[in-house]
Amino acid sequence: SQKIEQNSEALNIQEGKTATLTCNYTNYSPAYLQWYRQDPGRGPVFLLLIRENEKEKRKERLKVTFDTTLKQSLFHITASQPADSATYLCALLFRGSTLGRLYFGRGTQLTVWP
Amino acid sequence: DGGITQSPKYLFRKEGQNVTLSCEQNLNHDAMYWYRQDPGQGLRLIYYSQIVNDFQKGDIAEGYSVSREKKESFPLTVTSAQKNPTAFYLCASAGTGSYEQYFGPGTRLTVT
Repeated sequence: SQKIEQNSEALNIQEGKTATLTCNYTNYSPAYLQWYRQDPGRGPVFLLLIRENEKEKRKERLKVTFDTTLKQSLFHITASQPADSATYLCALLFRGSTLGRLYFGRGTQLTVWP
Repeated sequence: DGGITQSPKYLFRKEGQNVTLSCEQNLNHDAMYWYRQDPGQGLRLIYYSQIVNDFQKGDIAEGYSVSREKKESFPLTVTSAQKNPTAFYLCASAGTGSYEQYFGPGTRLTVT
């Protein structure tokens, strides 16, 4: 069965540094890979989507890479701020997936300290 | 204001009672989803639906039921058959041809 792993449950970094979160998967490569942000007690919010034929995607201070050979996506937040502290989830959507269903990783809790 | 709403935010029930969680969206989205989230766990899919009067079981459908009588609404019933119902429940929707999901604020259900 498909397995999705996100690096260490928690990541703590200093303000201004770049945070790098990892999403690894086994077996089949997804057609799309997404990243969501979730604050405590709230629903996830979509951040970025990258397609299987794309290597990199950027949005403001966010950057996502996708390596189908390594079966890995990296999510970077540059010039991190305390407001970036949250849990970040990766989600996979496979080709032919019924009704666009997503498979989520457990998330990485990021804390940015001043 | 377009969005997806869930009510109530907190819900308390006694063991053995059925309870229905509400999910409404005014985004004109076709697809709707119900997830369960436990501490330290990822989102697990309970049920999902593409059109009115049609829905599919997700990975953990046992002990749950849904209906889709209107495009805007996708209520979830947690039945007494669900062995461990205490959890955070999230509803989401997505537009046709769009792969990003929009989530509601969630309902935290506690069963004692």
